Amino acid sequence: DTAVSQTPKYLVTQMGNDKSIKCEQNLGHDTMYWYKQDSKKFLKIMFSYNNKELIINETVPNRFSPKSPDKAHLNLHINSLELGDSAVYFCASSRANEQFFGPGTRLTVL
Amino acid sequence: QKEVEQNSGPLSVPEGAIASLNCTYSDRVSQSFFWYRQYSGKSPELIMSIYSNGDKEDGRFTAQLNKASQYVSLLIRDSQPSDSATYLCAVNAGAGSYQLTFGKGTKLSVIP
Repeated sequence: DTAVSQTPKYLVTQMGNDKSIKCEQNLGHDTMYWYKQDSKKFLKIMFSYNNKELIINETVPNRFSPKSPDKAHLNLHINSLELGDSAVYFCASSRANEQFFGPGTRLTVL
Repeated sequence: QKEVEQNSGPLSVPEGAIASLNCTYSDRVSQSFFWYRQYSGKSPELIMSIYSNGDKEDGRFTAQLNKASQYVSLLIRDSQPSDSATYLCAVNAGAGSYQLTFGKGTKLSVIP
């Protein structure tokens, strides 16, 4: 199946831990994104990479670090997790301006 | 600060009726406009894109764009209970911009 995939789907962890979320797309797109959707369902861009180059870096704590080993993968590493990091994190990729989303990772910080 | 405004709803319509969802945006240079549907617990799904003034139809969906009024809408004809979802309006900036700004979404309920 051609798609944007993310792992894990659910992530439950303690405050202060470090965790990573992985994203892969096999659509052949050049641009990938990380979004955060909070409890009020507001979807906010965090980062974007185009051909492994960071092009969007919104005001996000530097505990969040994206890494793109190649243009099909964009991972998100989060250090020193806080309660407020609990949210659903979506990866997306785009062809031209149309963005396609992965299934999301629900992160719960206890 | 680019803003995209939507009525959060919920918008309730009876089955078979036309559902009308509205969106306004603040950035006059925006050139690309999108509607996403998000079912509860699922990811946003692109259902319509529109780039020029006027109407664009795709099955039961019609997107309407008026750049002078900075307004974009989505009409859903013959609404079905399966259309019940949150609809997100998204706008990007000028040519070459990869960034989308999303509205907070309108929750639609289609009542059988």
